[in-house]
Amino acid sequence: EESLVESGGGLVQPGGSLRLSCVASGFTFSNYWMHWVRQAPGKGLVWVSRIRGDGSSTTYADSVKGRFTISRDNAKNTVYLQMNSLRAEDTAVYYCTRLLDRDMWGQGTLVTVSS
Amino acid sequence: DIQMTQSPSTLSASVGDSVTIPCRASQSISSSLAWYQQKPGKAPKLLIYKASTLESGVPSRFSGSGSGTEFTLTISSLQPGDFATYYCQQYNTYPLTFGQGTKLEIK
Repeated sequence: EESLVESGGGLVQPGGSLRLSCVASGFTFSNYWMHWVRQAPGKGLVWVSRIRGDGSSTTYADSVKGRFTISRDNAKNTVYLQMNSLRAEDTAVYYCTRLLDRDMWGQGTLVTVSS
Repeated sequence: DIQMTQSPSTLSASVGDSVTIPCRASQSISSSLAWYQQKPGKAPKLLIYKASTLESGVPSRFSGSGSGTEFTLTISSLQPGDFATYYCQQYNTYPLTFGQGTKLEIK
C-alpha cells in the first residue's frame, strides 16, 4: 500500500530552524516529483515547493525562497524540507504530497513558530 | 502569480440537493484545473483534474466543467459525507495556486 508519512514538526522560536521529513512507501519514489503544501490554522492551502524525481530541479514559492530548501534521498525514499529563519506566518500544517500524479498526501505535520 | 477566486466562501444545502461551486482564474489556465475536497483534520483529496476528469474512485455525482478562466464543480444528490470544504487549484503555471475554499454546510 502506498503511503507518505511526515515528521519533524514542532514548536520553534522565530528565527529558528526545523527540518521536516516525509518517508514514502509502496511506490517507486524516484519516479515522482514531490511537493510540500502548507495550511495555516483555519486557512486555505498554499503550495510551498517541489523537487524533481532525480533531485535535479527545485521550485519554491516566493514566500519561502531563500529560507526553505527542499531535498530528497531516493535511497531512503525520503523528501525533506529544511526551514530556516522561521517566522510566525510559517505556522501551519505541512503536507508532503505526490501532487496530481496519482495524487496522494501524507497526514501532515504541524509547525508552530512562536516565542 | 495566478489568483484563484472562489465565491461564496460558504454554501448551505440539504442532503439530496445539487450544488455548483464556482472558481475563477485571474488569467487563462486552459484546462489545468483541479478540485479537492477537505474534511476537518484531514488531508485534501483529489476529486477532479484537467477541469473535468474524475479521479479514480470518486463518485460520479461529482463533475467539473469549464476552461480558460471560469470553472465549476457540481455535486448532484448531496450525501452527508459531501459536507466539507472544496478547493480549486491551477497547475498551468508555477507557483501553483489554490482558491481560498468554499465550505459546504448542511442547511
